[in-house]
Amino acid sequence: AQSVTQPDIHITVSEGASLELRCNYSYGATPYLFWYVQSPGQGLQLLLKYFSGDTLVQGIKGFEAEFKRSQSSFNLRKPSVHWSDAAEYFCAVGAQGYQKVTFGTGTKLQVIP
Amino acid sequence: ETGVTQSPTHLIKTRGQQVTLRCSSQSGHNTVSWYQQALGQGPQFIFQYYREEENGRGNFPPRFSGLQFPNYSSELNVNALELDDSALYLCASSPGGGQPQETQYFGPGTRLLVL
Repeated sequence: AQSVTQPDIHITVSEGASLELRCNYSYGATPYLFWYVQSPGQGLQLLLKYFSGDTLVQGIKGFEAEFKRSQSSFNLRKPSVHWSDAAEYFCAVGAQGYQKVTFGTGTKLQVIP
Repeated sequence: ETGVTQSPTHLIKTRGQQVTLRCSSQSGHNTVSWYQQALGQGPQFIFQYYREEENGRGNFPPRFSGLQFPNYSSELNVNALELDDSALYLCASSPGGGQPQETQYFGPGTRLLVL
């Protein structure tokens, strides 16, 4: 069974600073990996996904993530954070066969001026 | 293209009651998945429907059931509500057969409180 760990429950960064959110997964085969963002009162929005090819994935809103098989990681990065990026971020892993996606517990991002 | 909508936005029920939550998928999306998101947790997969048939289920008891209709709407039914059923319920639709590489489009959710 697949699982996801997001070690950071809460992260605070200054506006304009760089951001890295950590994600570690457990899955026996090549995983399908996702990052979602959830703003208060909103549903989940897909930022980016990886399932094959280039291990550096570009997403929306200036986010990118790098798949590192040796470390079982799929960390999310952004070079310069904007106040509107304050939200909760979820890493997720999917399994071949059907769309059972397993989510991590999320990292809440706070952006300070 | 309209997004995924859910109704109601909020709901309060008492323990033992039954509840029906509704989701309207994007037009043309044949797959709908339902998730439960408890406070402070990530969403947990309940089940998935493809062309009106359940084709995947997470670790949820049978009192969680669903229906999908030909008009791209769907329902999540929960019988014999328990206090732990209090959560945000999300539906997500996707255009294909529900493979993991497909993008899922999430609705804003229904927040259920069980007293």
